[in-house]
Amino acid sequence: AQTVTQSQPEMSVQEAETVTLSCTYDTSESDYYLFWYKQPPSRQMILVIRQEAYKQQNATENRFSVNFQKAAKSFSLKISDSQLGDAAMYFCAGTDSNYQLIWGAGTKLIIKP
Amino acid sequence: KAGVTQTPRYLIKTRGQQVTLSCSPISGHRSVSWYQQTPGQGLQFLFEYFSETQRNKGNFPGRFSGRQFSNSRSEMNVSTLELGDSALYLCASSLLAGQGEAFFGQGTRLTVV
Repeated sequence: AQTVTQSQPEMSVQEAETVTLSCTYDTSESDYYLFWYKQPPSRQMILVIRQEAYKQQNATENRFSVNFQKAAKSFSLKISDSQLGDAAMYFCAGTDSNYQLIWGAGTKLIIKP
Repeated sequence: KAGVTQTPRYLIKTRGQQVTLSCSPISGHRSVSWYQQTPGQGLQFLFEYFSETQRNKGNFPGRFSGRQFSNSRSEMNVSTLELGDSALYLCASSLLAGQGEAFFGQGTRLTVV
């Protein structure tokens, strides 16, 4: 069975600084997808970034980038130039053999002005 | 293009009652997945529907059921409600089944008293 582990229940960062959120995805699958989703207080889950496991190049979306280390099962999210609007719960998720999402417990990100 | 719409946003029900939640996916999306989110268990997959057929089901009792209509709108039903069913129920739509990448609605907050 696949497991997603987010070991940081809460992180805080000064506005405009850079923060990295950690995630590990333990799976025996060779073909899978990894995602970071953001859930602000409005509760709507918003896709931040997606990574295909077969791609060696790390995904980047504006201020958001990932560091995917397949052998180490590590999938961290780096947020550069943090903004107040980045404050939210961040969930790491991976697809299982049926391509359903398996979720981590989440990391609460606090942005300090 | 309109996003995923879930109705109602909030519900309060009494133990033993049943409830039906509705989800309208993004136009053109044929896959709808449902998730339960609680503070204790986190996000858990309930089921996925594609072209009116249940494609996958999570590890939930038979009291949880769903269906999908020809216009891709989906409903989930919970019968004989228990206090532990209190949760945020999230619906997600995807263009195709099993793609992992999903677009979420704002959820229905169900409280069972």
